[in-house]
Amino acid sequence: KQEVTQIPAALSVPEGENLVLNCSFTDSAIYNLQWFRQDPGKGLTSLLLIQSSQREQTSGRLNASLDKSSGRSTLYIAASQPGDSATYLCAVGANDYKLSFGAGTTVTVRA
Amino acid sequence: ETGVTQTPRHLVMGMTNKKSLKCEQHLGHNAMYWYKQSAKKPLELMFVYNFKEQTENNSVPSRFSPECPNSSHLFLHLHTLQPEDSALYLCASSQASGSAEQYFGPGTRLTVT
Repeated sequence: KQEVTQIPAALSVPEGENLVLNCSFTDSAIYNLQWFRQDPGKGLTSLLLIQSSQREQTSGRLNASLDKSSGRSTLYIAASQPGDSATYLCAVGANDYKLSFGAGTTVTVRA
Repeated sequence: ETGVTQTPRHLVMGMTNKKSLKCEQHLGHNAMYWYKQSAKKPLELMFVYNFKEQTENNSVPSRFSPECPNSSHLFLHLHTLQPEDSALYLCASSQASGSAEQYFGPGTRLTVT
């Protein structure tokens, strides 16, 4: 069974600092890895999808890397803003449509 | 806003009630999913439908009954729930491919009293 771990569970940084969020998974036989953002009481917003054949994906201030062999992904958010405050979820996709989620990292960006 | 809508957004029901959650996707996808998000726990996959056929039941109790009449609509019928079933129920959709990106709805916040 795929186990997904996100460290740290919570993170508080001053505005402008770069954010580094970590995700690790136990089974390297993955199809893809997806990073989501969730605001309190709301649904999930997809941020980046990395296919198993890719090493990284970028969108604006966001960059996600994937190292399948070591079972790790990292989400970088450059020049953080108070609007980046949310919970960030990592989800590992298998070839049967299943996503295994981590518990998330709750980020607070202080103005 | 995503192309996946869910109704109702909030639901309070007693343990003897019967209610249904509705999900609709406007993205032309062929796979739809129900997830449960409880406090302090990771999202749990409940059901997967691919081209209207159920392909996954993740050991979900029978008091939860899914229905997928077509590729755009997904329902979750609820009956005789327990207080521990209180959670955020999320619907998602994707292209019918194992490598496809999943898009989520806003969720239904369910409280069982």
